[in-house]
Amino acid sequence: DAKTTQPPSMDCAEGRAANLPCNHSTISGNEYVYWYRQIHSQGPQYIIHGLKNNETNEMASLIITEDRKSSTLILPHATLRDTAVYYCIVVAGGTSYGKLTFGQGTILTVHP
Amino acid sequence: GAVVSQHPSWVICKSGTSVKIECRSLDFQATTMFWYRQFPKQSLMLMATSNEGSKATYEQGVEKDKFLINHASLTLSTLTVTSAHPEDSSFYICSAMIGAYNEQFFGPGTRLTVL
Repeated sequence: DAKTTQPPSMDCAEGRAANLPCNHSTISGNEYVYWYRQIHSQGPQYIIHGLKNNETNEMASLIITEDRKSSTLILPHATLRDTAVYYCIVVAGGTSYGKLTFGQGTILTVHP
Repeated sequence: GAVVSQHPSWVICKSGTSVKIECRSLDFQATTMFWYRQFPKQSLMLMATSNEGSKATYEQGVEKDKFLINHASLTLSTLTVTSAHPEDSSFYICSAMIGAYNEQFFGPGTRLTVL
């Protein structure tokens, strides 16, 4: 599976949009981009995923560049409860189906 | 969304004893579940893939005789840490896969402390 690169930490003011970048320059055509987050001492939570089109759900939006080498997770109105570690994961199908390789992620701190 | 539970949420045991951790999918059936381990200030590491009705597949470096996995039904997978030692102290997390797009739902985790 393609490796991902994320900034180790980011800050965001409450109520503002949080934009979390992820580089995945070696992504291949059948690999999806997934985002999960982990609040301290809890299990990770699924946020969103996409292949090449931009995606939006009730939690966030995912913007994938046209060349698919990078993506941005957008939390439109961050709250204090969004403080967590955010993981960008690229996953293929086939024999790797289902396996998630977690990197170090981005620690997002939302402050008042 | 789908709910995955784990039991117990925390456990303290003596060195040399065995500990069983349960992972249940509460409102869906999961043919595939995963077990992860997370040490303090580190990321999650996949230990094994648990498939209902068949043997688990272990990641490289994970001792299958030490970490016994049983996936006897579509809603339950168990991880038994045999002859636990202090270095096995960690946060153990399971997940269950649902749907056609690799969506995984994670349990709340089990904190294991081996004295």
